[in-house]
Amino acid sequence: GQQVMQIPQYQHVQEGEDFTTYCNSSTTLSNIQWYKQRPGGHPVFLIQLVKSGEVKKQKRLTFQFGEAKKNSSLHITATQTTDVGTYFCAGYQAGTALIFGKGTTLSVSS
Amino acid sequence: GAVVSQHPSWVICKSGTSVKIECRSLDFQATTMFWYRQFPKQSLMLMATSNEGSKATYEQGVEKDKFLINHASLTLSTLTVTSAHPEDSSFYICSARDPSRVHFGQGTRLTVV
Repeated sequence: GQQVMQIPQYQHVQEGEDFTTYCNSSTTLSNIQWYKQRPGGHPVFLIQLVKSGEVKKQKRLTFQFGEAKKNSSLHITATQTTDVGTYFCAGYQAGTALIFGKGTTLSVSS
Repeated sequence: GAVVSQHPSWVICKSGTSVKIECRSLDFQATTMFWYRQFPKQSLMLMATSNEGSKATYEQGVEKDKFLINHASLTLSTLTVTSAHPEDSSFYICSARDPSRVHFGQGTRLTVV
């Protein structure tokens, strides 16, 4: 079945450093979504990428969808302590449920 | 505001009892809803797909007799954890899709003591 792999599992950075998490799917996706989850909270939707090669930005966050629609990345520029949490990618194929990657837990020290 | 409402947010129950979790789509009709489970420091794992008016589709390894799913209307799906045991303690979260994207409920933290 469809699998979504995400690396790294954990990442610790100093405040102000950049951060990137990568996501790969075993199959071509209709779209890919990114979520952020804080400890004790539920996943919060960040963005959805649909088009091949799509790049979207949200302030310091940059999201990319690969040309083959099988991989994606989330890049945070100049991390802040408010960025801490676990970032999940989730792949979607038409007619199926979202399949989540294992997530990347980001910690930031000031 | 939330477009998918999940209730309760948290529940503590005794081992052997059953717990029902509700998932409602507030602004749209959802013929399909999805139930996920998340253990501490792990990802969301799809448990089952809830289909309005028909039987749910369970993922491999999920006991259908233990996790009863009912999707009797276009806006409500329920998950009942029957004869709960401490190992069933987890974060359960539902989702539903409207024409634009998937929406998640707030989740239910179940603790079985």
